[in-house]
Amino acid sequence: AQKVTQAQTEISVVEKEDVTLDCVYETRDTTYYLFWYKQPPSGELVFLIRRNSFDEQNEISGRYSWNSQKSTSSFNFTITASQVVDSAVYFCALSEATGNQFYFGTGTSLTVIP
Amino acid sequence: ETGVTQTPRHLVMGMTNKKSLKCEQHLGHNAMYWYKQSAKKPLELMFVYSLEERVENNSVPSRFSPECPNSSHLFLHLHTLQPEDSALYLCASSQESHPGGNTGELFFGEGSRLTVL
Repeated sequence: AQKVTQAQTEISVVEKEDVTLDCVYETRDTTYYLFWYKQPPSGELVFLIRRNSFDEQNEISGRYSWNSQKSTSSFNFTITASQVVDSAVYFCALSEATGNQFYFGTGTSLTVIP
Repeated sequence: ETGVTQTPRHLVMGMTNKKSLKCEQHLGHNAMYWYKQSAKKPLELMFVYSLEERVENNSVPSRFSPECPNSSHLFLHLHTLQPEDSALYLCASSQESHPGGNTGELFFGEGSRLTVL
């Protein structure tokens, strides 16, 4: 079974719009970590944000904000006032406290249209 | 120095060739990884070297052979590959707090784009 699911395969938004990327995860561990990565055309996956399983508040850093809901096993990531440079593939990932496996989703391709 | 560097960035090889991918991390991390990225598929973990212990993904064919001479360097030796092995191979590193304990984020290189003819 897929541990991390990103149902949105492609999203297009117009510059300056807000966009939310969805992620659903599956784990039996009580301690785990969730991540969002960005992969621009150059290929390198760039770490964006991390959330611990015990975090409960919405978090904000610059134009990025994120939140998770244990009840729905969801981990959403929002880009506010999108820019063309935000165009990339975004990956959600899960890491369990036991084991050294990171589980990645299939990615959401975001295109920001100028 | 960027955190994780991979060479070569692009590699084209025939099915009978032997080649190697190289990865070097300058972050002082104690774990290194090889991932395979194919189109429309999740990243596939191939190998992990964690605190000098190798953890294998048993589904990886033996034509892929990793080598980790020290905590900063990781190689992926390739031999008699198949066209379906064409993909982006990503190296990553992280800092583990204890064996098998992954609490830190992965830092990736830019990848080696492999094409097998």
